[in-house]
Amino acid sequence: RKEVEQDPGPFNVPEGATVAFNCTYSNSASQSFFWYRQDCRKEPKLLMSVYSSGNEDGRFTAQLNRASQYISLLIRDSKLSDSATYLCVVNMPGSARQLTFGSGTQLTVLP
Amino acid sequence: DGGITQSPKYLFRKEGQNVTLSCEQNLNHDAMYWYRQDPGQGLRLIYYSQIVNDFQKGDIAEGYSVSREKKESFPLTVTSAQKNPTAFYLCASSTDRDRATYEQYFGPGTRLTVT
Repeated sequence: RKEVEQDPGPFNVPEGATVAFNCTYSNSASQSFFWYRQDCRKEPKLLMSVYSSGNEDGRFTAQLNRASQYISLLIRDSKLSDSATYLCVVNMPGSARQLTFGSGTQLTVLP
Repeated sequence: DGGITQSPKYLFRKEGQNVTLSCEQNLNHDAMYWYRQDPGQGLRLIYYSQIVNDFQKGDIAEGYSVSREKKESFPLTVTSAQKNPTAFYLCASSTDRDRATYEQYFGPGTRLTVT
């Protein structure tokens, strides 16, 4: 089983739609969780950290379910500019500094 | 402006040549990392360094070497021993402050093509 697993997509959604991505991680000892966004041929950029209580940043909501070992990202009112690959990232157990990256979920928002 | 710079953006080399990729940060971060990304795949860790003059191998260190002589700089050398060096190379850094999470910040990357 992969350490961090994501549905690769692609997800093609119309503008204004709500879209959700899920990610599962294999090690229950992981403590830090993030969503990164990567545009085509660019570097990943931190979108948001994921906290146990869930957190929201504008149109983006991240949730963590430790019991089931999954993380979700919800994007409401999708914009064309949301088109990108979304990477689920989890710290390596025993190392707060080392991160394991999922392969990413590709999102295309259509006009 | 604080950030991470990588140079060059594109690099072309002939097989059998060593090549060094530059990574500089002015964020005062202690930890620095090198990843490679291949099409359709996640990032894979090559080397990382948590303090000056110290570094550790990541998951795919074979055929690569690094140095960390200054806090700001973490160059990566791709040697001729690396079997499949063509890839997108990303450098990242993270803060040294005592906190629960260590999000990483990335440079713009270097696309290396070896023919």
